[in-house]
Amino acid sequence: DAKTTQPTSMDCAEGRAANLPCNHSTISGNEYVYWYRQIHSQGPQYIIHGLKNNETNEMASLIITEDRKSSTLILPHATLRDTAVYYCIVRVLFSGGGADGLTFGKGTHLIIQP
Amino acid sequence: DGGITQSPKYLFRKEGQNVTLSCEQNLNHDAMYWYRQDPGQGLRLIYYSQIVNDFQKGDIAEGYSVSREKKESFPLTVTSAQKNPTAFYLCASKAGGGQETQYFGPGTRLLVL
Repeated sequence: DAKTTQPTSMDCAEGRAANLPCNHSTISGNEYVYWYRQIHSQGPQYIIHGLKNNETNEMASLIITEDRKSSTLILPHATLRDTAVYYCIVRVLFSGGGADGLTFGKGTHLIIQP
Repeated sequence: DGGITQSPKYLFRKEGQNVTLSCEQNLNHDAMYWYRQDPGQGLRLIYYSQIVNDFQKGDIAEGYSVSREKKESFPLTVTSAQKNPTAFYLCASKAGGGQETQYFGPGTRLLVL
């Protein structure tokens, strides 16, 4: 899986859009970008994933640059409950056999300020 | 409610004792995983199972054992050989068949007395 780089921490005001960047300059053509988040002392929660087109679901939007070397996760109206560590992961869609676990780095600690 | 359950939420282990962490899923997922998380760190893969009666070592399997006798269950035993077992343990499952999204349980925090 390609390596990702994320800022260690970010602040965002409640009600504003939170934009979390991720660099993945060595991404391969068949690798997807996945985002998870982990609220303190809970299991990680899947947010969204995409290949090259922008994606949107009920939780967030994912914007992937045309060269696919970076992406941004957007939480459109951040609430206090969005305070969590956000992980950007790059991974092939179907890994087949072999060691198949997700590689989580340290992620970005997003703090929503009231 | 479909999902993954882990029990207990907190577990205390005495020196030299084996303990077993439970993970159950009713999502009908084929693959299941165990991860370990240390404070301020990402997740590290302990064991995974892609199908019933089969499992493979992950990156840090030493001192741990698993079984997969039923599709919905993937218990993890932390043996006395694991010298630094204090951590947050997370179980996950995945549908398989081309679906890569993993869904996680709430975790078990293991503390050594």
